[in-house]
Amino acid sequence: QKEVEQNSGPLSVPEGAIASLNCTYSDRGSQSFFWYRQYSGKSPELIMFIYSNGDKEDGRFTAQLNKASQYVSLLIRDSQPSDSATYLCAVIGNDYKLSFGAGTTVTVRA
Amino acid sequence: DTAVSQTPKYLVTQMGNDKSIKCEQNLGHDTMYWYKQDSKKFLKIMFSYNNKELIINETVPNRFSPKSPDKAHLNLHINSLELGDSAVYFCASNVAGGTDGQYFGPGTRLTVT
Repeated sequence: QKEVEQNSGPLSVPEGAIASLNCTYSDRGSQSFFWYRQYSGKSPELIMFIYSNGDKEDGRFTAQLNKASQYVSLLIRDSQPSDSATYLCAVIGNDYKLSFGAGTTVTVRA
Repeated sequence: DTAVSQTPKYLVTQMGNDKSIKCEQNLGHDTMYWYKQDSKKFLKIMFSYNNKELIINETVPNRFSPKSPDKAHLNLHINSLELGDSAVYFCASNVAGGTDGQYFGPGTRLTVT
């Protein structure tokens, strides 16, 4: 059974620091990887996707994928209080189903 | 303009009742989904439709029945509601039902008393 696991958190970082979020997945056939941000009481919002090994940068966000280690991470540079949210790792496997991790709650301290 | 919309936003009802949640997307996407997010915030897929055809049907009680009148709409009907059905239900859509990211609606908070 496909599983997506994230570090449980909560993760508290000072404003301006780097927040590092980790995710591992069990299905070696997984092909697409996503990070969603969910504010309390709101819907998940797609913030990053990555398909190939290596790094992908978008503004203050960097996603890193290592398929051999079945590992995907998200770095948030220069963290802002507005980054305080739950971050969900999601993975699509060969069955085309999107499986979510339980999420890591990030709090950025002003 | 809202990309993926759901109605109602909140739904409070008693056990045993039947209720429906509606979803519409104006993104031109081919595939639509229903997810359930429980009190522990875990998101789990329930159903997926591609161009009105059911393609994913997870282990969900048959009291839940999705209906897609066209590829822009996916509704969820729930019969004989139970306390354990209380959750937030999200509709989502994407382009091809394959490897693209999905875009979520605002959610419907269902409370069964």
